Amino acid sequence: GESVGLHLPTLSVQEGDNSIINCAYSNSASDYFIWYKQESGKGPQFIIDIRSNMDKRQGQRVTVLLNKTVKHLSLQIAATQPGDSAVYFCAENIRKEGSQGNLIFGKGTKLSVKP
Amino acid sequence: DTGVSQNPRHKITKRGQNVTFRCDPISEHNRLYWYRQTLGQGPEFLTYFQNEAQLEKSRLLSDRFSAERPKGSFSTLEIQRTEQGDSAMYLCASTYGQGLGKLFFGSGTQLSVL
Repeated sequence: GESVGLHLPTLSVQEGDNSIINCAYSNSASDYFIWYKQESGKGPQFIIDIRSNMDKRQGQRVTVLLNKTVKHLSLQIAATQPGDSAVYFCAENIRKEGSQGNLIFGKGTKLSVKP
Repeated sequence: DTGVSQNPRHKITKRGQNVTFRCDPISEHNRLYWYRQTLGQGPEFLTYFQNEAQLEKSRLLSDRFSAERPKGSFSTLEIQRTEQGDSAMYLCASTYGQGLGKLFFGSGTQLSVL
């Protein structure tokens, strides 16, 4: 079936470096994408979102890039800090007829920041 | 705290017992979602409500699962005759508006079925 997936299950970076977390999606009907951060014992926390009519969106220290041609989504974190250590999920909204759709999550990438 | 609140945080039960979880969404949010998450996986959609109406249910939501949102505010998720495979984190999320916007998640209820 179609699903959201991640290229790398784990990522280790040095504090202060930039991090890039990648995500592949396969459903061309997806019109909305979100990145979430989840710390141990907590629910997912919204980071940034992007609609399919955009290819880039920036937030505070984070940038999301969307390449619809190759169905690829990435999250860039600038100047990674120890507090960024968490599992990161990308999620896509697959719009269905008669429904607003719902978010389908990938398996997640664990980001570890070394001091 | 004005975030999504879930109770209890943890629930341990014996196989065959019924359990009920509660979710209090952010007060002005009209849409409420339930997800299930197992270790190492992303959350999986179960069902969602717009106000008090349950608009969509996943195939994951077997007949043993029932969710309600009687007054369009808090919601409950009940699992009857629990099985070991029901052990998971049950997450509630809410949002507002008509289209799918960003979901605000609670901290979840961790269910362990012995």
